[in-house]
Amino acid sequence: DGGITQSPKYLFRKEGQNVTLSCEQNLNHDAMYWYRQDPGQGLRLIYYSQIVNDFQKGDIAEGYSVSREKKESFPLTVTSAQKNPTAFYLCASSQVRYNEQFFGPGTRLTVL
Amino acid sequence: ELKVEQNPLFLSMQEGKNYTIYCNYSTTSDRLYWYRQDPGKSLESLFVLLSNGAVKQEGRLMASLDTKARLSTLHITAAVHDLSATYFCAVVSTGTASKLTFGTGTRLQVTL
Repeated sequence: DGGITQSPKYLFRKEGQNVTLSCEQNLNHDAMYWYRQDPGQGLRLIYYSQIVNDFQKGDIAEGYSVSREKKESFPLTVTSAQKNPTAFYLCASSQVRYNEQFFGPGTRLTVL
Repeated sequence: ELKVEQNPLFLSMQEGKNYTIYCNYSTTSDRLYWYRQDPGKSLESLFVLLSNGAVKQEGRLMASLDTKARLSTLHITAAVHDLSATYFCAVVSTGTASKLTFGTGTRLQVTL
């Protein structure tokens, strides 16, 4: 089955720790994205990548980092510099040309 | 900067009633997407609207796009409880390749 997987589903972090969220897709999509969603809010773009070894900052990139070493994978690291990281994180992918984004199941991060 | 506004933000309606959700956006775009999100879940793609005057229908939902007015509507016909969810529109602004800007969402609650 083609799709997008994210792991873990739930993640708990202590203040001051870095954590990495996994996102993998087997849809052969060129572009991948990370969004943050806070309760009752819309989605805000953190980072996106349209090609391997290249990525761009979105609207709220501070305190986050990404890598894109493989087409299938786009991990997101939430660093200790992110002041309020508790949120629902969604990964998506698309063909660059057609824009329609398909979403993974999400990771819920809670900082203790 | 592209801004996407939805209204209403919250909608409570009785089963069997009709209603419309509105999505306004601030800059030129010829692609608009509607997504559904159930509580605690990821986003599910509903409609892709690719040109002025486009109309798509699936079951009790119908979406339309007026690029001249920068307006999309999501019309609900004879609502049923299963339609209770949050609905997002998302827009690609011309020239930004694959980057989507999401509206704030409309939380729909259908009561018996």
